[in-house]
Amino acid sequence: DIQMTQSPSSLSASVGDRVTITCRASQSISSYLNWYQQKPGKAPKLLIYAASSLQSGVPSRFSGSGSGTDFTLTISSLQPEDFATYYCQQSYSTRNTFGQGTKLEIK
Amino acid sequence: EVQLVESGGGLVQPGGSLRLSCAASGFTFSSYEMNWVRQAPGKGLEWVSYISSSGSTIYYADSVKGRFTISRDNAKNSLYLQMNSLRAEDTAVYYCARLYYGSGSYYFDYWGQGTLVTVSS
Repeated sequence: DIQMTQSPSSLSASVGDRVTITCRASQSISSYLNWYQQKPGKAPKLLIYAASSLQSGVPSRFSGSGSGTDFTLTISSLQPEDFATYYCQQSYSTRNTFGQGTKLEIK
Repeated sequence: EVQLVESGGGLVQPGGSLRLSCAASGFTFSSYEMNWVRQAPGKGLEWVSYISSSGSTIYYADSVKGRFTISRDNAKNSLYLQMNSLRAEDTAVYYCARLYYGSGSYYFDYWGQGTLVTVSS
């Protein structure tokens, strides 16, 4: 199976900060990389698909980039509602795998 | 409006069985591939199983292969997960998720609210 490694595992930041989360695949996955946001007690929500495409309704402060094995999720200016856990997911293989998650906390 | 509603979770003893259901509405269920994803308490997301739109192609995570069976009934707009020989490590919230193909990629665009399975004596 393809392994996905996110960094950092946790991150403290302030409202208005620019934040970047990285995700690395154990093999090339082209652009088959998605990002989800999850808040406590809720189902994950799709933010970015195909590495850089913004899901409908998602604020433009979220952006994604990368291809091959290295990917990033950037939040340009953190808002209070952005404090959550973020997961990357590879869909190159039907046996999808997720990163371990990055918990974004308020500083 | 697309909706996925899971049910069937609960408390079960180790070695026991449970059948989860996911009722779909608001879209043509028979046209979409579906998945189960789980999340152990305080842990990350783990993909569990995939089923094609017709049900002819199925995949499982190694952690559940041989114990779990995914199926679907397109006439009833429903997805199922039969879980046998349950272990403590199967304790998790189980989500059903719709697989969507767009912009040359695949992603889970809709998720249910989840159903909690607790395996404990």
